[in-house]
Amino acid sequence: DTGVSQDPRHKITKRGQNVTFRCDPISEHNRLYWYRQTLGQGPEFLTYFQNEAQLEKSRLLSDRFSAERPKGSFSTLEIQRTEQGDSAMYLCASSLGSRGENQPQHFGDGTRLSIL
Amino acid sequence: SQQGEEDPQALSIQEGENATMNCSYKTSINNLQWYRQNSGRGLVHLILIRSNEREKHSGRLRVTLDTSKKSSSLLITASRAADTASYFCARAGGTSYGKLTFGQGTILTVHP
Repeated sequence: DTGVSQDPRHKITKRGQNVTFRCDPISEHNRLYWYRQTLGQGPEFLTYFQNEAQLEKSRLLSDRFSAERPKGSFSTLEIQRTEQGDSAMYLCASSLGSRGENQPQHFGDGTRLSIL
Repeated sequence: SQQGEEDPQALSIQEGENATMNCSYKTSINNLQWYRQNSGRGLVHLILIRSNEREKHSGRLRVTLDTSKKSSSLLITASRAADTASYFCARAGGTSYGKLTFGQGTILTVHP
C-alpha cells in the first residue's frame, strides 16, 4: 500500500500526558497537511509543510501543539499536556504542491485520540 | 470555524435514486473540492473544480459551481448502497495555496 499511513490508529491517554503521532506521506508528495476532526464535523486545518518548511499554521494550533517534518519526508505532531478538548481524530494528508493551485489531497485513516 | 455550509445535513434515499448535495461558501476560491469519508476512515478525493469552470463529471458524479452565488452541488446518479458515506466540500483559495476549508458535510445513506 503506497498511500498515506498514520501511526498509531488509536491513542488513549490521561489528561496532562504528552502524545506524538506520526504520518508517512505518499513518497513523491512534497506537501504534508495536518487536520483535526471532531464527531459530526468536517476536518479543521492545523498546519502544512512544503518539504521541510512549515508554511502555515492555524490559530487552532496552540503552543501545546508542535509539528515537524525534519527531512521533508515523514512528519510528527506532538501535543503536550493534553486536555479533554484535544480528543478528536487527527488526520494527515499529502499532495503535490505547485504555486498557484491547491492540489487534491490524499488522506490517511487518521489517529483517534481519546483523553481520559 | 467552518467556512461553508452543506445542505442537507443528512440524506436518505433508495438504491437507484439520485442524490444531490449542496455547498455554500463565503469567500473567494481558487478551486472547490469534494471528498467522501466512510465511517472511521480518512477522506477520499472525488472531484476538483476550478473557479473558472462551471461543471465537471467523473463517472456517476457531476459537480457544478456557481461563483456568483458562491455555491456548488454534487450529484450522484443511480446511487448504490456502497455510496453510503459522508460527503464534504472543501474550499481552496484566498491567499493560501495549502489548506482546505471544509464544510460540515452531508451524511448520505443509500438503502438497498
